Parts: sequence; C-alpha cells; structure tokens
Amino acid sequence: GAGVSQSPRYKVAKRGQDVALRCDPISGHVSLFWYQQALGQGPEFLTYFQNEAQLDKSGLPSDRFFAERPEGSVSTLKIQRTQQEDSAVYLCASSLDRATEAFFGQGTRLTVV
Amino acid sequence: AQTVTQSQPEMSVQEAETVTLSCTYDTSESDYYLFWYKQPPSRQMILVIRQEAYKQQNATENRFSVNFQKAAKSFSLKISDSQLGDAAMYFCAYRSGTGANSKLTFGKGITLSVRP
Repeated sequence: GAGVSQSPRYKVAKRGQDVALRCDPISGHVSLFWYQQALGQGPEFLTYFQNEAQLDKSGLPSDRFFAERPEGSVSTLKIQRTQQEDSAVYLCASSLDRATEAFFGQGTRLTVV
Repeated sequence: AQTVTQSQPEMSVQEAETVTLSCTYDTSESDYYLFWYKQPPSRQMILVIRQEAYKQQNATENRFSVNFQKAAKSFSLKISDSQLGDAAMYFCAYRSGTGANSKLTFGKGITLSVRP
C-alpha cells in the first residue's frame, strides 16, 4: 500500500473486553513499531518487530498487552481485559530498516468505557 | 535512559512571522539522531526535519530549520514565514544510533497555533 494503514480508526470497548488493533505496514518494510499516545502527551514506545521477530517488548505496560507479526508483514496489538487507563491512541510505524525514516499510520483511538 | 523535554505546552505565531520551538534532551550516547514531527488533527505523525548528531551543520528543509547545540543538548525548530497549515502539535524526538532497536523517544509536544 501507499502508506501505513491502521484499523479500526476508532474503537469503543467496555471495560473488561478484549480488543485487537491491526497495522498494515508499507510493503517491504522490515521494522515495525507500536506506540501508545495518551491525550495531550507524546507517543510512548510499546514494542518493536524486525520482520516476524519481536526484538523489544519492554514498553508493554502489562501482561494484558500482546503483539504479534507472524508473517513479518501485518501486525496485531491485542489488549485483554481492557481498563480505563488503556484509553489512548495507538500508533503503528514502519521503516525499511532500522536506520531509515519511520512512517506512521493514522492510529487507532481506543476509548474504554 | 534518554529523555526529551519540551517545556512550552503552547505557542502562537502570526501568519508570515517566524517562530521557534524549543527542545532539550539528555543522553550519554554520542551517536544519535534528532527529529521534529508534526501531528495535525488527523493524528498522523509527519516527519518535518532530521538531524544527525555527528553533523555540525544545522539541518534545513525549506521553511524549517533547526538550531542544534550538541554541548547544550538543545535542538530547537525554527519555522519561517508561518502558514495556517503549520498549525498542529509538534514533537521533538530522539533515536539512538546504536543497538538493534531504533525506537523513538518523544517529548510531550507543543501545540502551535497560527493567527491569520
């Protein structure tokens, strides 16, 4: 595709519900990142993939957060038993390799009610 | 750990005037990159300008330029001839030049408004 695509753009979840957020990176991009952006704040790193390998998951806030990229392209961020503090915009970014510019998607705004 | 600080939450500029957005950072690394990103209401982060730490010359992209002071760990963005379309949130970001993970560390951002 022409850019990084994320779906859904908006998600409203009831507290305790599981959600899955999808990221389609730019074709051929090896590196993929997930960030969490709380309202009025800068994005914070969650996790990083190089192809299908998750090389860094140090930013995941709890074991309720899980990310995968099984075939080295599309990635899914899953949040189990959502809580109100999970409400944020989740941004995905991809880059050709670790040294080049990262391109961002438009994010998924998650609201937990 | 690296930190990025943007201490001004908001700034306003008159159309066609010049504005400077401030950013400081802290790191013990010598090899790194600094970035300014623009985030309009659409939420998509757009790269404005990039600076390699090993380069002494300040980066310039059309109306956008930076003042990179490595010793002071300061990285400010100057926007010349401000346009209405420049109104957005601006984030300063740091990326290590070493290691396997090229994640970005962002500041809190600054909201720039442009007055017609």
